[in-house]
Amino acid sequence: NAGVTQTPKFRVLKTGQSMTLLCAQDMNHEYMYWYRQDPGMGLRLIHYSVGEGTTAKGEVPDGYNVSRLKKQNFLLGLESAAPSQTSVYFCASSYSWGDEQYFGPGTRLTVT
Amino acid sequence: RKEVEQDPGPFNVPEGATVAFNCTYSNSASQSFFWYRQDCRKEPKLLMSVYSSGNEDGRFTAQLNRASQYISLLIRDSKLSDSATYLCVVSPQAGTALIFGKGTTLSVSS
Repeated sequence: NAGVTQTPKFRVLKTGQSMTLLCAQDMNHEYMYWYRQDPGMGLRLIHYSVGEGTTAKGEVPDGYNVSRLKKQNFLLGLESAAPSQTSVYFCASSYSWGDEQYFGPGTRLTVT
Repeated sequence: RKEVEQDPGPFNVPEGATVAFNCTYSNSASQSFFWYRQDCRKEPKLLMSVYSSGNEDGRFTAQLNRASQYISLLIRDSKLSDSATYLCVVSPQAGTALIFGKGTTLSVSS
């Protein structure tokens, strides 16, 4: 049982480049989430999904897109990276709303 | 009032000390409460859920006060390995995502 995994672990992008972050979970959870964590800001919800084929905006969705084509995977895309998107990105999953969330190890993204 | 508020600290304590963290939440309809632990440059992990009757797990005790809308975490006999950031987490109401506090940093020294 790998739990929640994230790919890649580190990435450096130039302004304007695009990339996709992959999150995978093997716990058969319906709910998946993408957060960003910045110093002094805590965890902020970017997008989430309540099941395969569904996505919804969180607190800070601008500049990001997501897709949930398979139940076990949740992709986060940056179409045109900006320095303000330099952050640590965490994926999480849970059985349902209000349940414990399991986090992946994070992706450290730097946009120069 | 912010949805979930924590004293950011840092709390600097010697080994063996007892330390307590409080967290306040704004939504009186909140249903689930948790404490997560996050080590430096790592992901958050569940430390313990917080039940209405209070609960204890070894050196850790969590309590909920619905009337005053706060939860607390007590750590007894602090260890060096307890050094981390402790996140207060609240489910504001049914059908909504968890809200994470910004965390309280604990540093335990020898």
